[in-house]
Amino acid sequence: EAQVTQNPRYLITVTGKKLTVTCSQNMNHEYMSWYRQDPGLGLRQIYYSMNVEVTDKGDVPEGYKVSRKEKRNFPLILESPSPNQTSLYFCASKFPGPGEKLFFGSGTQLSVL
Amino acid sequence: AQRVTQPEKLLSVFKGAPVELKCNYSYSGSPELFWYVQYSRQRLQLLLRHISRESIKGFTADLNKGETSFHLKKPFAQEEDSAMYYCALSGTSYGKLTFGQGTILTVHP
Repeated sequence: EAQVTQNPRYLITVTGKKLTVTCSQNMNHEYMSWYRQDPGLGLRQIYYSMNVEVTDKGDVPEGYKVSRKEKRNFPLILESPSPNQTSLYFCASKFPGPGEKLFFGSGTQLSVL
Repeated sequence: AQRVTQPEKLLSVFKGAPVELKCNYSYSGSPELFWYVQYSRQRLQLLLRHISRESIKGFTADLNKGETSFHLKKPFAQEEDSAMYYCALSGTSYGKLTFGQGTILTVHP
């Protein structure tokens, strides 16, 4: 089945403890991106990648890192999480070009204590 | 800079009534605009895109460049339309995708 897979679905951690949220897609999409969803703020783009080894900042990149070493994977890294990074995170992928639709993962609910 | 504004956080209508979810954008070039929907316990998914000029599940949206709007409309709302709706804009780089704050639509029986 064509899909975007995120892991874990739920994560509780403490301030400063490095963590990685994985994202994988099996549709051979060049483009992948990360979003966070917060009440009243909607979805905000963190980082995106147009292809392997090509990444760029979205609107809220502070405190996050990404890497794109393979086409199918796009992990989100929080090197020193803080409570303001408590949020619902979504990974998405698509083919490049105008009008192409995004395929979303099921989300990762992160709580930083 | 690109921006998307959905002025209504919550919208309630009765079944069979018309519904309009507002979306205004700010972008200096020619934007690509989308509506995404998230039904309860489902993933975010594309509802429609302006480039296709399509009607999906009875919904339509027209890009009005003069008013910089892309409002989503349906003449007769159904209970299964209850969901969170996001308007989104992609600029010429196609990489940066900006979403609005979202509107929760509730259709009452």
